[in-house]
Amino acid sequence: QSVLTQPPSVSAAPGQKVTISCSGSNSNIGNNYVSWYQQLPGTAPKLLIYDNDKRPSGIPDRFSGSKSGTSATLGITGLQTGDEADYYCGAWDSSLSAGVFGPGTKVTVL
Amino acid sequence: QVQLQESGPGLVKPSETLSLTCSVSSGSISGYYCTWIRQPAGKGLEWIGRIYTSGTTNYNPSLKSRVTMSVDTSKNQFSLKLSSVTAADTAVYYCARELLPYYFDLWGRGTQVTVSS
Repeated sequence: QSVLTQPPSVSAAPGQKVTISCSGSNSNIGNNYVSWYQQLPGTAPKLLIYDNDKRPSGIPDRFSGSKSGTSATLGITGLQTGDEADYYCGAWDSSLSAGVFGPGTKVTVL
Repeated sequence: QVQLQESGPGLVKPSETLSLTCSVSSGSISGYYCTWIRQPAGKGLEWIGRIYTSGTTNYNPSLKSRVTMSVDTSKNQFSLKLSSVTAADTAVYYCARELLPYYFDLWGRGTQVTVSS
Protein backbone atom coordinates (compact mmCIF):
# COMPACT_ATOMS: atom_id res chain seq x y z
CA GLN A 1 0.00 0.00 0.00
CA SER A 2 1.75 3.13 -1.26
CA VAL A 3 1.62 6.39 0.66
CA LEU A 4 1.29 8.19 -2.67
CA THR A 5 -1.47 7.40 -5.17
CA GLN A 6 -1.14 7.24 -8.96
CA PRO A 7 -3.44 5.87 -11.66
CA PRO A 8 -2.27 2.44 -12.84
CA SER A 9 -2.25 3.43 -16.49
CA VAL A 10 -2.90 6.21 -18.97
CA SER A 11 -2.85 6.14 -22.75
CA ALA A 12 -3.10 8.41 -25.75
CA ALA A 13 -2.28 8.53 -29.42
CA PRO A 14 1.08 9.77 -30.75
CA GLY A 15 1.31 13.55 -30.63
CA GLN A 16 -1.33 13.85 -27.94
CA LYS A 17 -0.95 14.84 -24.29
CA VAL A 18 -1.22 12.77 -21.13
CA THR A 19 -1.22 13.80 -17.52
CA ILE A 20 -0.36 11.62 -14.54
CA SER A 21 -1.56 12.55 -11.09
CA CYS A 22 0.18 11.84 -7.80
CA SER A 23 -1.85 12.33 -4.66
CA GLY A 24 -0.53 12.40 -1.12
CA SER A 25 -0.95 14.26 2.14
CA ASN A 26 0.40 17.20 4.08
CA SER A 27 3.20 15.05 5.49
CA ASN A 28 4.64 14.41 2.03
CA ILE A 29 3.54 16.30 -1.09
CA GLY A 30 1.80 19.06 0.84
CA ASN A 31 4.98 20.25 2.53
CA ASN A 32 7.80 18.75 0.50
CA TYR A 33 9.06 18.77 -3.04
CA VAL A 34 7.98 16.20 -5.62
CA SER A 35 10.14 14.46 -8.20
CA TRP A 36 9.22 12.28 -11.16
CA TYR A 37 11.02 9.35 -12.77
CA GLN A 38 10.71 7.50 -16.05
CA GLN A 39 11.53 3.80 -16.15
CA LEU A 40 11.86 2.19 -19.54
CA PRO A 41 11.55 -1.61 -19.61
CA GLY A 42 14.59 -3.34 -18.15
CA THR A 43 16.37 -0.13 -17.17
CA ALA A 44 16.96 1.94 -14.06
CA PRO A 45 14.65 4.87 -13.38
CA LYS A 46 15.65 8.24 -14.82
CA LEU A 47 15.00 11.63 -13.26
CA LEU A 48 12.49 13.68 -15.26
CA ILE A 49 11.35 16.41 -12.87
CA TYR A 50 12.68 17.64 -9.52
CA ASP A 51 11.61 20.34 -7.08
CA ASN A 52 8.03 19.97 -8.37
CA ASP A 53 8.58 21.56 -11.76
CA LYS A 54 12.26 21.69 -12.71
CA ARG A 55 13.73 19.69 -15.56
CA PRO A 56 17.31 18.37 -15.44
CA SER A 57 19.56 19.18 -18.34
CA GLY A 58 18.73 17.02 -21.32
CA ILE A 59 15.07 16.44 -20.49
CA PRO A 60 12.89 17.88 -23.26
CA ASP A 61 10.29 20.52 -22.43
CA ARG A 62 7.58 18.09 -23.51
CA PHE A 63 7.78 16.93 -19.91
CA SER A 64 6.42 19.25 -17.25
CA GLY A 65 5.58 19.07 -13.57
CA SER A 66 3.29 20.99 -11.27
CA LYS A 67 2.05 20.81 -7.70
CA SER A 68 -1.03 22.09 -5.93
CA GLY A 69 -1.74 21.35 -2.31
CA THR A 70 -1.29 17.65 -1.69
CA SER A 71 -1.27 16.62 -5.35
CA ALA A 72 1.25 16.79 -8.15
CA THR A 73 0.94 16.26 -11.88
CA LEU A 74 3.32 15.15 -14.61
CA GLY A 75 2.42 16.22 -18.12
CA ILE A 76 3.77 14.78 -21.33
CA THR A 77 2.95 16.57 -24.58
CA GLY A 78 3.69 15.48 -28.14
CA LEU A 79 3.55 11.87 -27.04
CA GLN A 80 6.06 9.56 -28.76
CA THR A 81 6.36 5.80 -28.88
CA GLY A 82 9.60 6.15 -26.95
CA ASP A 83 7.64 7.59 -24.04
CA GLU A 84 6.07 4.20 -23.33
CA ALA A 85 7.33 3.50 -19.83
CA ASP A 86 6.43 3.42 -16.18
CA TYR A 87 6.39 6.77 -14.40
CA TYR A 88 6.86 7.22 -10.65
CA CYS A 89 6.41 10.18 -8.38
CA GLY A 90 8.43 10.52 -5.21
CA ALA A 91 8.51 12.74 -2.15
CA TRP A 92 9.94 12.91 1.36
CA ASP A 93 7.46 12.08 4.09
CA SER A 94 8.13 14.17 7.17
CA SER A 95 5.96 12.01 9.45
CA LEU A 96 7.70 8.80 8.47
CA SER A 97 11.12 10.48 8.12
CA ALA A 98 11.43 8.36 5.01
CA GLY A 99 11.19 8.63 1.28
CA VAL A 100 8.06 7.44 -0.47
CA PHE A 101 7.16 6.62 -4.05
CA GLY A 102 3.88 6.28 -5.85
CA PRO A 103 2.94 2.85 -7.22
CA GLY A 104 3.78 3.89 -10.76
CA THR A 105 1.75 4.66 -13.88
CA LYS A 106 2.19 2.85 -17.14
CA VAL A 107 1.98 5.09 -20.19
CA THR A 108 0.82 3.45 -23.40
CA VAL A 109 1.03 5.12 -26.78
CA LEU A 110 -1.88 3.89 -28.86
CA GLN B 1 30.64 11.89 -15.11
CA VAL B 2 29.99 10.26 -11.74
CA GLN B 3 28.80 6.68 -12.01
CA LEU B 4 27.35 4.28 -9.48
CA GLN B 5 27.55 0.50 -9.62
CA GLU B 6 25.99 -2.06 -7.33
CA SER B 7 27.71 -5.36 -6.59
CA GLY B 8 27.12 -8.36 -4.39
CA PRO B 9 25.82 -11.93 -4.34
CA GLY B 10 22.90 -12.59 -6.64
CA LEU B 11 21.61 -15.42 -4.48
CA VAL B 12 21.07 -15.35 -0.74
CA LYS B 13 19.60 -18.08 1.45
CA PRO B 14 16.55 -17.42 3.59
CA SER B 15 17.34 -16.13 7.10
CA GLU B 16 20.81 -14.99 6.00
CA THR B 17 22.09 -11.46 5.47
CA LEU B 18 22.04 -9.71 2.11
CA SER B 19 25.13 -7.55 1.56
CA LEU B 20 25.54 -5.11 -1.31
CA THR B 21 28.09 -2.47 -2.19
CA CYS B 22 27.63 0.68 -4.25
CA SER B 23 30.88 1.86 -5.81
CA VAL B 24 31.15 5.45 -6.97
CA SER B 25 33.54 6.23 -9.81
CA SER B 26 34.69 9.38 -11.58
CA GLY B 27 33.89 11.60 -8.65
CA SER B 28 33.78 12.06 -4.91
CA ILE B 29 31.03 10.72 -2.69
CA SER B 30 31.31 13.65 -0.33
CA GLY B 31 28.39 15.98 0.19
CA TYR B 32 25.40 13.91 -0.75
CA TYR B 33 23.25 10.99 0.31
CA CYS B 34 23.47 7.50 -1.11
CA THR B 35 20.04 5.92 -1.17
CA TRP B 36 19.11 2.28 -1.64
CA ILE B 37 15.91 1.50 -3.50
CA ARG B 38 14.54 -1.89 -4.49
CA GLN B 39 12.02 -3.15 -6.99
CA PRO B 40 10.47 -6.64 -6.96
CA ALA B 41 9.79 -8.04 -10.39
CA GLY B 42 6.77 -6.38 -11.95
CA LYS B 43 6.25 -4.07 -8.98
CA GLY B 44 7.02 -0.52 -7.97
CA LEU B 45 9.94 1.20 -6.28
CA GLU B 46 10.51 0.86 -2.55
CA TRP B 47 12.75 3.28 -0.66
CA ILE B 48 14.98 1.26 1.70
CA GLY B 49 16.98 4.05 3.26
CA ARG B 50 19.81 6.51 2.82
CA ILE B 51 23.18 7.39 4.30
CA TYR B 52 25.06 10.66 4.18
CA THR B 53 28.81 10.71 3.81
CA SER B 54 29.02 11.73 7.47
CA GLY B 55 27.31 8.46 8.39
CA THR B 56 23.89 9.90 9.20
CA THR B 57 21.15 7.46 8.21
CA ASN B 58 17.39 7.27 7.64
CA TYR B 59 15.69 3.92 7.17
CA ASN B 60 12.29 2.81 5.93
CA PRO B 61 10.28 2.14 9.13
CA SER B 62 9.07 -1.19 7.73
CA LEU B 63 12.67 -2.41 7.25
CA LYS B 64 14.45 -0.51 9.98
CA SER B 65 14.97 -3.47 12.30
CA ARG B 66 16.84 -5.39 9.58
CA VAL B 67 18.76 -2.68 7.70
CA THR B 68 22.26 -1.36 8.26
CA MET B 69 23.99 1.09 5.95
CA SER B 70 27.59 2.24 6.05
CA VAL B 71 30.00 4.39 4.07
CA ASP B 72 33.72 4.03 3.34
CA THR B 73 34.95 7.35 2.00
CA SER B 74 38.47 6.01 1.43
CA LYS B 75 37.08 3.48 -1.04
CA ASN B 76 34.30 5.69 -2.41
CA GLN B 77 31.80 3.02 -1.44
CA PHE B 78 28.45 2.69 0.30
CA SER B 79 27.14 -0.58 1.70
CA LEU B 80 23.77 -2.10 2.50
CA LYS B 81 23.10 -5.03 4.80
CA LEU B 82 19.64 -6.54 5.16
CA SER B 83 19.36 -9.31 7.72
CA SER B 84 16.97 -12.25 8.11
CA VAL B 85 15.95 -12.18 4.48
CA THR B 86 12.93 -14.00 3.09
CA ALA B 87 11.59 -14.53 -0.42
CA ALA B 88 9.81 -11.17 -0.08
CA ASP B 89 13.22 -9.49 -0.24
CA THR B 90 13.84 -10.80 -3.76
CA ALA B 91 14.18 -7.74 -5.96
CA VAL B 92 16.43 -5.58 -8.10
CA TYR B 93 18.38 -3.36 -5.74
CA TYR B 94 19.47 0.09 -6.88
CA CYS B 95 21.76 2.63 -5.33
CA ALA B 96 21.15 6.23 -6.26
CA ARG B 97 22.66 9.61 -5.52
CA GLU B 98 20.18 11.69 -3.60
CA LEU B 99 20.32 15.45 -3.77
CA LEU B 100 18.32 17.67 -1.43
CA PRO B 101 15.52 18.19 -1.11
CA TYR B 102 14.94 14.58 -2.03
CA TYR B 103 15.48 13.62 -5.63
CA PHE B 104 17.68 11.06 -7.34
CA ASP B 105 19.75 12.33 -10.24
CA LEU B 106 22.09 9.38 -10.69
CA TRP B 107 21.23 5.69 -10.50
CA GLY B 108 23.21 2.49 -10.69
CA ARG B 109 22.11 -0.13 -13.19
CA GLY B 110 20.70 -2.26 -10.41
CA THR B 111 21.56 -5.75 -9.24
CA GLN B 112 19.18 -8.70 -8.98
CA VAL B 113 19.10 -10.42 -5.62
CA THR B 114 17.14 -13.64 -5.24
CA VAL B 115 16.40 -15.17 -1.86
CA SER B 116 16.15 -18.93 -2.19
CA SER B 117 17.54 -22.06 -0.64
